[in-house]
Amino acid sequence: ETGVTQTPRHLVMGMTNKKSLKCEQHLGHNAMYWYKQSAKKPLELMFVYNFKEQTENNSVPSRFSPECPNSSHLFLHLHTLQPEDSALYLCASSQPMDSALVGFGQGTRLTVV
Amino acid sequence: GQNIDQPTEMTATEGAIVQINCTYQTSGFNGLFWYQQHAGEAPTFLSYNVLDGLEEKGRFSSFLSRSKGYSYLLLKELQMKDSASYLCAVRDSNYQLIWGAGTKLIIKP
Repeated sequence: ETGVTQTPRHLVMGMTNKKSLKCEQHLGHNAMYWYKQSAKKPLELMFVYNFKEQTENNSVPSRFSPECPNSSHLFLHLHTLQPEDSALYLCASSQPMDSALVGFGQGTRLTVV
Repeated sequence: GQNIDQPTEMTATEGAIVQINCTYQTSGFNGLFWYQQHAGEAPTFLSYNVLDGLEEKGRFSSFLSRSKGYSYLLLKELQMKDSASYLCAVRDSNYQLIWGAGTKLIIKP
C-alpha cells in the first residue's frame, strides 16, 4: 500500500471510446502528477497539479484531459486515443517542490485497440 | 537536451553483488534518486544523493559524483526478490524529475 490508489488497474478501449482514469492519494500531499510509462522508455511527465491548479502540461495531445477537483483526487479523461497511447499510466503525489517524497500509484495498464 | 543513461538489462547471481550505473546531463542538479519497480507495481523510493559520496542503507548503497555526472546503485547479498527494474532520476534546476529508462535486473539462483 503506497497511499496512492489508481483505478482501474487494467483498461482496454477502442479508439472511439471515452474512458477516465482515477487517482486518489491519502498522503496529505498537495501536488499530483500523471506520468506515462512505455516499455524501455523513461517515465514521461504529462501533467502536474499544485494545490488543484495545473502548473505543467508537457505538450500532451488534447485527447488526454486531466481534472483535479481537490488535492486528493486526480482524473485523466481519455477520448479518441491511438494505439501508440497504449502504456502504463502512473499517478504520483508529493509536496510541492519536494519531488523527493513522490509516492506512486500502481498504475493503469491501458491498451488501445 | 537533458539525458539520463543507464543499462537496459543486467543479470546477476543470488548472493552476489551488482552495480547499476547511471550517467546524466541535465539543466542544473538538485539531487539524484533511485527507485525500484517490480513488474506491475508502483515505483518505490530507494535512495537520494545530493552531495558527492556514498550513502548506505542496508544491502543497498548509492554513490554520486557531481563533477562526473555519475551515480551507481550497489546491491549486496542479492536475493531473488531484488529482481526488478531500477530507475535513476535527477532533479533539475526547475525541481522537475528527469528519468532514465530503467535497468531491468534479473537475479538467477
